Amino acid sequence: AQSVTQLDSQVPVFEEAPVELRCNYSSSVSVYLFWYVQYPNQGLQLLLKYLSGSTLVKGINGFEAEFNKSQTSFHLRKPSVHISDTAEYFCAVSVPGGGNKLTFGTGTQLKVEL
Amino acid sequence: EAQVTQNPRYLITVTGKKLTVTCSQNMNHEYMSWYRQDPGLGLRQIYYSMNVEVTDKGDVPEGYKVSRKEKRNFPLILESPSPNQTSLYFCASRPTGGLGLEQYFGPGTRLTVT
Repeated sequence: AQSVTQLDSQVPVFEEAPVELRCNYSSSVSVYLFWYVQYPNQGLQLLLKYLSGSTLVKGINGFEAEFNKSQTSFHLRKPSVHISDTAEYFCAVSVPGGGNKLTFGTGTQLKVEL
Repeated sequence: EAQVTQNPRYLITVTGKKLTVTCSQNMNHEYMSWYRQDPGLGLRQIYYSMNVEVTDKGDVPEGYKVSRKEKRNFPLILESPSPNQTSLYFCASRPTGGLGLEQYFGPGTRLTVT
């Protein structure tokens, strides 16, 4: 079975600073990787996904993530954050042919301060 | 507008009083799923459905029931709610087939069982 670890439960950062949210996964087979964002009192929205090919994936709102197979990581980055990026971010993994199931990490609360 | 809707958005109830949370999608998706979100635990899958009349248990199915009589609807039923089912619930849908297709989430239902 696959699992996802998000070690940082909260990440405070000042506006316009860069940020990295960490995600590590465990799986015995190849995986698809996702980052979702949850703004306050809203559902989850897909930021980006890695299926195959280029290991650097660009998503919405200026976010990007890099798939590192050797380190089993899929860290999310943004070079300059805005107040509006304050939200909870979830890393998730699914397995090809795994019945569409998404396994989520525990989430990282990003708080952007002035 | 393509969307997943849930009702009610907020619900406070008492132990043992049967309730149903509705979920509807207008994207003609075959796959639908229910998750619960709890602090520090991320999202965990309760039940999912691959198509009409096809449902299966997720990771935390105890105390819940579902049905899928129509493609668009996937209600979550709590026959005898208990306080440990106090949580934030999300419905999601996606088409089957293809690789790593995005799941679309509803806005969530916050349930409190006293």
